[in-house]
Amino acid sequence: DTAVSQTPKYLVTQMGNDKSIKCEQNLGHDTMYWYKQDSKKFLKIMFSYNNKELIINETVPNRFSPKSPDKAHLNLHINSLELGDSAVYFCASSQVWGVAKNIQYFGAGTRLSVL
Amino acid sequence: GENVEQHPSTLSVQEGDSAVIKCTYSDSASNYFPWYKQELGKGPQLIIDIRSNVGEKKDQRIAVTLNKTAKHFSLHITETQPEDSAVYFCAASVVGGNEKLTFGTGTRLTIIP
Repeated sequence: DTAVSQTPKYLVTQMGNDKSIKCEQNLGHDTMYWYKQDSKKFLKIMFSYNNKELIINETVPNRFSPKSPDKAHLNLHINSLELGDSAVYFCASSQVWGVAKNIQYFGAGTRLSVL
Repeated sequence: GENVEQHPSTLSVQEGDSAVIKCTYSDSASNYFPWYKQELGKGPQLIIDIRSNVGEKKDQRIAVTLNKTAKHFSLHITETQPEDSAVYFCAASVVGGNEKLTFGTGTRLTIIP
């Protein structure tokens, strides 16, 4: 069984559209994250949720809205997509809040291409 | 905020030789330094980590060293094998602070058979 699963794996869409990426973890973890990896492989955190509560919001445009219906899910909705949103988006989870105590487990990524 | 620089951006080594990747960080409060390996088409995976109260940590062919004074840490891979080919990321964070991971820019390691 995949520990952290993201869907879809690939997403191709036009500028101005709205799209969602879903993430689920079956590890029983309390904390979930969204990261963005650009074309140069630079990996940057976007959001973190702990027990469905927003902990980190890294000055991401408000076109990006995470939603955590429960501890096992953290979805990412993006409004009015722009060319610069093209990237690979990774979901991750860790057991409790605090990276030194817990390993972050990453999903396989969602490659978003905005045309 | 924290800034992590990583060098080199690409590295090719002959199979069996050693590989070294170096990172520097800016925030002297950072006290936790993990290394992640990202294989093609996959998400990053933790391979080793070190805390600021330790100068060196080893796990089989992989070791990490930390110099707090100089604010740099390094990943050492010995007896490299083809399956070591991947992109490696260093990261830094402040435990007890915002505990956010700041990643380096990545090193693409290629092992030449």
